[in-house]
Amino acid sequence: GESVGLHLPTLSVQEGDNSIINCAYSNSASDYFIWYKQESGKGPQFIIDIRSNMDKRQGQRVTVLLNKTVKHLSLQIAATQPGDSAVYFCAENIALDSSYKLIFGSGTRLLVRP
Amino acid sequence: NAGVTQTPKFQVLKTGQSMTLQCAQDMNHNSMYWYRQDPGMGLRLIYYSASEGTTDKGEVPNGYNVSRLNKREFSLRLESAAPSQTSVYFCASRPTRSTDTQYFGPGTRLTVL
Repeated sequence: GESVGLHLPTLSVQEGDNSIINCAYSNSASDYFIWYKQESGKGPQFIIDIRSNMDKRQGQRVTVLLNKTVKHLSLQIAATQPGDSAVYFCAENIALDSSYKLIFGSGTRLLVRP
Repeated sequence: NAGVTQTPKFQVLKTGQSMTLQCAQDMNHNSMYWYRQDPGMGLRLIYYSASEGTTDKGEVPNGYNVSRLNKREFSLRLESAAPSQTSVYFCASRPTRSTDTQYFGPGTRLTVL
């Protein structure tokens, strides 16, 4: 069935270190992927996206890598800060009859140690 | 520009009660979505509306109904609430293209006793 990132692991990093969060997706036809950040008590917030015709995209302190061969996404956060502590979700875009939907993984909790 | 707004923020119901969760977006987006998020899990799609006047089931539609009142508003109704519907509910919207970003509201935390 459809699935993205089946587990909710926790990644603990020291402030200032780089963080890498991984995600597996299942649908080879997905053409678009998004990373979201969710802080406690809030809705998911867009971080960065990538189209399937790319293998890397960079934003401010964040980089997303896409490996279509093994259906794997990663989110890299440079110089991790306490404000980066949150749950991170990857999502893959699935075409519907007249629209699109996102399939979400269960997320990864990032804890930043001061 | 408020983005996606949801009301109420919190709600406690007794089993069998009904209620409607409201969602509105001011970004002129065509598609709107309702998700639920259970503890330690990702978001699961309940219903979506590709455009004004259309609605379709998502992954977990049982026990829910929706109404796309106009382009701005998309409501979710629980006709007879059950404890299994205790969750956080998120509304989202996006334009039309496959590579358009989807934006989320702040969520409604619902507890069914």
